Amino acid sequence: DAKTTQPNSMESNEEEPVHLPCNHSTISGTDYIHWYRQLPSQGPEYVIHGLTSNVNNRMASLAIAEDRKSSTLILHRATLRDAAVYYCILRDVGGYDKVIFGPGTSLSVIP
Amino acid sequence: GAVVSQHPSRVICKSGTSVKIECRSLDFQATTMFWYRQFPKQSLMLMATSNEGSKATYEQGVEKDKFLINHASLTLSTLTVTSAHPEDSSFYICSARGRGRTGASEQYFGPGTRLTVT
Repeated sequence: DAKTTQPNSMESNEEEPVHLPCNHSTISGTDYIHWYRQLPSQGPEYVIHGLTSNVNNRMASLAIAEDRKSSTLILHRATLRDAAVYYCILRDVGGYDKVIFGPGTSLSVIP
Repeated sequence: GAVVSQHPSRVICKSGTSVKIECRSLDFQATTMFWYRQFPKQSLMLMATSNEGSKATYEQGVEKDKFLINHASLTLSTLTVTSAHPEDSSFYICSARGRGRTGASEQYFGPGTRLTVT
C-alpha cells in the first residue's frame, strides 16, 4: 500500500483557515487522494478526494501538488465542530481497495 | 452520502459472554462490508472484510473464531464477539461499500459501537 505521512497534531484558532498537510511521495498514477475525518466517539466521515486537480466542496478544499507527492486539506474557516482526527489516505482509482487508516492528524480548534 | 447504521451504539457485557453487533446499509446495497476496531487514542485497525454470501477474510492477527462475521444479505452484516474478555473492550466500526449514485464504488462508515466488557 502506498503510504502517507501527516503531522501528529495541529492547532488552529476558531474562524481561521487551517492547512493540513499530507506527504505521499510513493503515490502511483492510479491513486486518488482521499481525506476522511473522525469526530470524537464517531465513525469516520468522508471529506474530499482528488486525483490531480484541486477540488472544492462544501466541507473543504484539496490542494494537490503538481508532482502529486503531497497535498493539503484546507478548512477555510475552522469551527469548534472541526476538531477531529483527519486522515489522508491513498485509494486505487477503482475504489475496490480496503481503506487502511494511518495515525492521522489530530486537529484542535481553540475558541 | 449513503447511510450506514450500527446497533447497538453502546453495549456492556460480562466477561465470558458473547455480544452481537449489527451493521446495516440503509439506502444502498453493500456488496462488501468491513469491520474495524479502535482502541483509545489509536487509529482504526481493519479486522476483516466480508462479501455478501461469502466467508469473511480476516487481517493478520485477528482471531476468526473469536470475531464471527456474517454477511448474509446486501444490507446487513453482523460481528459477534464470542467469549468476550475485558481486553476486547473497544470501539467497533463497520463500513459498507457499494454502488453510489454516480456508479462509482464508495465506502461509507457507521457511527461505531462502544463495547465494554466487565
